[in-house]
Amino acid sequence: KAGVTQTPRYLIKTRGQQVTLSCSPISGHRSVSWYQQTPGQGLQFLFEYFSETQRNKGNFPGRFSGRQFSNSRSEMNVSTLELGDSALYLCASSPGNAGEQYFGPGTRLTVT
Amino acid sequence: AQSVTQLDSQVPVFEEAPVELRCNYSSSVSVYLFWYVQYPNQGLQLLLKYLSGSTLVKGINGFEAEFNKSQTSFHLRKPSVHISDTAEYFCAVSPFSGGYNKLIFGAGTRLAVHP
Repeated sequence: KAGVTQTPRYLIKTRGQQVTLSCSPISGHRSVSWYQQTPGQGLQFLFEYFSETQRNKGNFPGRFSGRQFSNSRSEMNVSTLELGDSALYLCASSPGNAGEQYFGPGTRLTVT
Repeated sequence: AQSVTQLDSQVPVFEEAPVELRCNYSSSVSVYLFWYVQYPNQGLQLLLKYLSGSTLVKGINGFEAEFNKSQTSFHLRKPSVHISDTAEYFCAVSPFSGGYNKLIFGAGTRLAVHP
């Protein structure tokens, strides 16, 4: 089975712009979660989607949003980018509800 | 709420020596427990998981971990490490309740294996 794929792998944006990141889960996985990884804050949960519905959300401002499509692919969007949004954004998919998640390689976002 | 503490930020060790990476957690509800490994410029790879049953869990690459409920610990061990084990290791928990997939991670332990 193919693993979790994320596009693009690297992205450079300017403050104030917006960005959309994409994630394709492992075939058959209906749950997709997003995480932000930074040197200062570590790995932090952003949100989880299951069957096109957001069912869990972390403590991030409303500038961070996401959606899931009927084929389970997911996108996350960050509007009005700030320098502090520079991070590795990881997507993970899961076959069930036991927290076991499989991660993609991540998208490294740099905001200048 | 849940929290995870990884007691060592860095662990240096010589090749073929044993290693233990320590993890303690705090939670008001029952949790599932995980260890993930991250190699440079890569995502996270699941090493092992504790969902229920035997408290000694075996994972990939010769790693194992033991769940200790009374001490709320889930330490990771390997009897003999290789240079290729150099990476960052993350302990994580996920609460039972809600049926949701949300991982709470520790800050990570950087394992450096020296020849």
